[in-house]
Amino acid sequence: DVKVTQSSRYLVKRTGEKVFLECVQDMDHENMFWYRQDPGLGLRLIYFSYDVKMKEKGDIPEGYSVSREKKERFSLILESASTNQTSMYLCASSLQGSLAKNIQYFGAGTRLSVL
Amino acid sequence: AQTVTQSQPEMSVQEAETVTLSCTYDTSESDYYLFWYKQPPSRQMILVIRQEAYKQQNATENRFSVNFQKAAKSFSLKISDSQLGDAAMYFCAYRTTWSFGNEKLTFGTGTRLTIIP
Repeated sequence: DVKVTQSSRYLVKRTGEKVFLECVQDMDHENMFWYRQDPGLGLRLIYFSYDVKMKEKGDIPEGYSVSREKKERFSLILESASTNQTSMYLCASSLQGSLAKNIQYFGAGTRLSVL
Repeated sequence: AQTVTQSQPEMSVQEAETVTLSCTYDTSESDYYLFWYKQPPSRQMILVIRQEAYKQQNATENRFSVNFQKAAKSFSLKISDSQLGDAAMYFCAYRTTWSFGNEKLTFGTGTRLTIIP
């Protein structure tokens, strides 16, 4: 089975802190994604990566950056956390290609509170 | 840009009954993929069912089936014989047909389904 592991289930940080959210997948997937989930807004894409060291902005990249130094690991970075970044963060990965089978597999999420 | 709309924030159904969750989308593309994902209280998003737009036949997976109406841009999920384990948040999602570096999903806002014993 595909496993996408997010390093923390819950995280509490202070305003202005630098925050790292880590995601690791074990199925050699080329694509990795970071989403933010808020009530009434669904999931919104922050960044995605289709290869090592490659990244593309999603719909809401402001205030975030990402790093992908190894294929299996995709990190989301909040350079200076703010209270409006309190949210649930979901990581996902998928194979690359045109087959409908390249579905996205998700981690269990990190609930981040910024105080 | 594509948009996905789920107009029912919450739904409830009696155990063993059938329930239908609605999803509409807006796109100018002719070929694409549609998905229903389930997020139980454990928070792990799980794929329920998927549909390729070029296939006219509605997808089915055991108790789950879809009603795909391409002209109406509608993609509803029917859950038959509802079980307590079906209680979750359900998200409808859209993905454009494949192009390199463009495999992101666009999600709706979700429908929270409650199963009444």
